Amino acid sequence: DAGVTQSPTHLIKTRGQQVTLRCSPKSGHDTVSWYQQALGQGPQFIFQYYEEEERQRGNFPDRFSGHQFPNYSSELNVNALLLGDSALYLCASSLDGNQPQHFGDGTRLSIL
Amino acid sequence: QKEVEQDPGPLSVPEGAIVSLNCTYSNSAFQYFMWYRQYSRKGPELLMYTYSSGNKEDGRFTAQVDKSSKYISLFIRDSQPSDSATYLCAMRRVDTDKLIFGTGTRLQVFP
Repeated sequence: DAGVTQSPTHLIKTRGQQVTLRCSPKSGHDTVSWYQQALGQGPQFIFQYYEEEERQRGNFPDRFSGHQFPNYSSELNVNALLLGDSALYLCASSLDGNQPQHFGDGTRLSIL
Repeated sequence: QKEVEQDPGPLSVPEGAIVSLNCTYSNSAFQYFMWYRQYSRKGPELLMYTYSSGNKEDGRFTAQVDKSSKYISLFIRDSQPSDSATYLCAMRRVDTDKLIFGTGTRLQVFP
């Protein structure tokens, strides 16, 4: 039973560029949430997708956007990258959101 | 003031010790409480998931929730070096899936 998988594992970008991160949920899960984890901090909620729609959003600017596909996989897009966007980006999946969220190992994004 | 407060540690204990990890919170609307374990360069792994107040036990782990004091705890019995990791508490309201995390406590168990 495959867990949550994320790609790529590590990415290096420069300021002003755009990036796309990918997530495949755990088998049987239909809801995907994205979190940003800065070094030494707990994860911060970015947004959640369910039935291909953004259902909830945290306190992040609209440079952060996402998408969910019919197979429940999801993408996180970040435009106009800033140095402060350097972090571990985590994807979590659950069944209809009202169940425990299970996390992938994340994508480590470094901005130069 | 943060909604969830957690001592960052590090907490260093000898193998076999009982470990107590704690979080306090300010939002009385939180109803679901979780503990995650995060190894270096890995994602958070769900350890315990509880609803409302009370205790829950799973092997060497016991989670306690005291909603009247807005205080949650995770106890680890017979701690092992493999328990060395960062432990994150998380919680949410019943009307949202958004998890609010503490900063995490780094635990080191030495042989």
